[in-house]
Amino acid sequence: TQLLEQSPQFLSIQEGENLTVYCNSSSVFSSLQWYRQEPGEGPVLLVTVVTGGEVKKLKRLTFQFGDARKDSSLHITAAQPGDTGLYLCAGAHGNQGGKLIFGQGTELSVKP
Amino acid sequence: NAGVTQTPKFQVLKTGQSMTLQCAQDMNHEYMSWYRQDPGMGLRLIHYSVGAGITDQGEVPNGYNVSRSTTEDFPLRLLSAAPSQTSVYFCASGIGFSYEQYFGPGTRLTVT
Repeated sequence: TQLLEQSPQFLSIQEGENLTVYCNSSSVFSSLQWYRQEPGEGPVLLVTVVTGGEVKKLKRLTFQFGDARKDSSLHITAAQPGDTGLYLCAGAHGNQGGKLIFGQGTELSVKP
Repeated sequence: NAGVTQTPKFQVLKTGQSMTLQCAQDMNHEYMSWYRQDPGMGLRLIHYSVGAGITDQGEVPNGYNVSRSTTEDFPLRLLSAAPSQTSVYFCASGIGFSYEQYFGPGTRLTVT
């Protein structure tokens, strides 16, 4: 059972375009994280959001946690080829550190 | 700090063989986890540990054993390898209250 649904699964865009990746669930999460993974490597944490409605910015990346803490989005402005990779959202329930539920990932390709 | 280290990086097993995937972290993290990653399925939790001597099952524990005798090490044992266990395995560690996970580089396992 996939408790976290990511969309789209694949995204191919040109350099300079904007994009949004969505992460949706019917469950409430205590926190939600976004990771980026490059081929042959482990995921690397980008951001953690914990408060409903929270918005965090990391350079050209904007992350938002839904008011009900069931969904999140990642928006990239003016995408660059270096943004290419697999983006994963992951949610945690209560005080269950180390027990993350991952979405299936969004494969992003940014062409120059 | 080396962070999270995993060995081996690649492994080929025959059906029925057993082996241990090694994982170590030098960040004094309480939480350690094992995930497997298969195409289109994100990462799925196999087993996790909230401290030395304490382990629990994740989403897909069958066919795998773990133990945690020290804070630093969290080996994953495959008892009798099956082709369905062909996957990329990631070990992660983290501080419980933040839920953030730090991943190793992965072990690519093929079972023939």
